[in-house]
Amino acid sequence: GAGVSQTPSNKVTEKGKYVELRCDPISGHTALYWYRQSLGQGPEFLIYFQGTGAADDSGLPNDRFFAVRPEGSVSTLKIQRTERGDSAVYLCASSPLAMAGNEQFFGPGTRLTVL
Amino acid sequence: QQQVKQSPQSLIVQKGGISIINCAYENTAFDYFPWYQQFPGKGPALLIAIRPDVSEKKEGRFTISFNKSAKQFSLHIMDSQPGDSATYFCAASRQTSYDKVIFGPGTSLSVIP
Repeated sequence: GAGVSQTPSNKVTEKGKYVELRCDPISGHTALYWYRQSLGQGPEFLIYFQGTGAADDSGLPNDRFFAVRPEGSVSTLKIQRTERGDSAVYLCASSPLAMAGNEQFFGPGTRLTVL
Repeated sequence: QQQVKQSPQSLIVQKGGISIINCAYENTAFDYFPWYQQFPGKGPALLIAIRPDVSEKKEGRFTISFNKSAKQFSLHIMDSQPGDSATYFCAASRQTSYDKVIFGPGTSLSVIP
C-alpha cells in the first residue's frame, strides 16, 4: 500500500518568498503531524491535526508558518516571507489514531533551501 | 524538562559487534519510548518501542533496556550488520492521551565490514 507522500521532494526559494509544502497521508489515518528536521538534529514537532482541525500548533516557530487540512486528508504547510533559517527538511507523518502509542508513519520529507 | 538527551553523537562498530546508544529524559510524565531508524533521504521509521512497566524489550537483534529510576533507556543492536548503518533517534511521549513526541538529537551509526 502507499505510504505517506510529500511534494515537492526539494524546494529552493529566495529569501522573502512564499512556499507551500504538501503532504498526502496514508488513507484512513486521522492524525497528521508536521515536523522540521535541521541537519544533524532530530525531528522537531511543529503542528498536529486530528481530522480537519489543528489540535496542537504549539511547535510553529512564528506566525509566518501556517498549516491547513481542509478535508481531513491532504495537508499543506505554508511559510510566508521565508528566511534562510527556515532551511531544513520538513517531515510529515500520519497515524491511525491520535495517541502517542500509535506508530507515526513518516514521509520522505521536503528539503527546503532558502537562498 | 521536555528534552531527550542522546549519546553518542556518532558510533562506528565492526560487523558482528554490539552497538549501544543511550538516552535520558527528565519529564517523569513520559510513558512511551520509541526508537526510530532513519536512512539518508528517507523519513524516520519506527524500530522498536517500550513502555515503563517493563525493564527490557527484545525484537530480533534489537533490545531496549529501560531504567525508570534513573530515567534512562538504551538501544542495543546485537550482531551489527552494515545494513544497520543509519541514524537512530530515541524519543519520548505520553501514551495516555495525545502528546507530541520529543526526539533526541540522533546517533549516526556506521557498521564497517
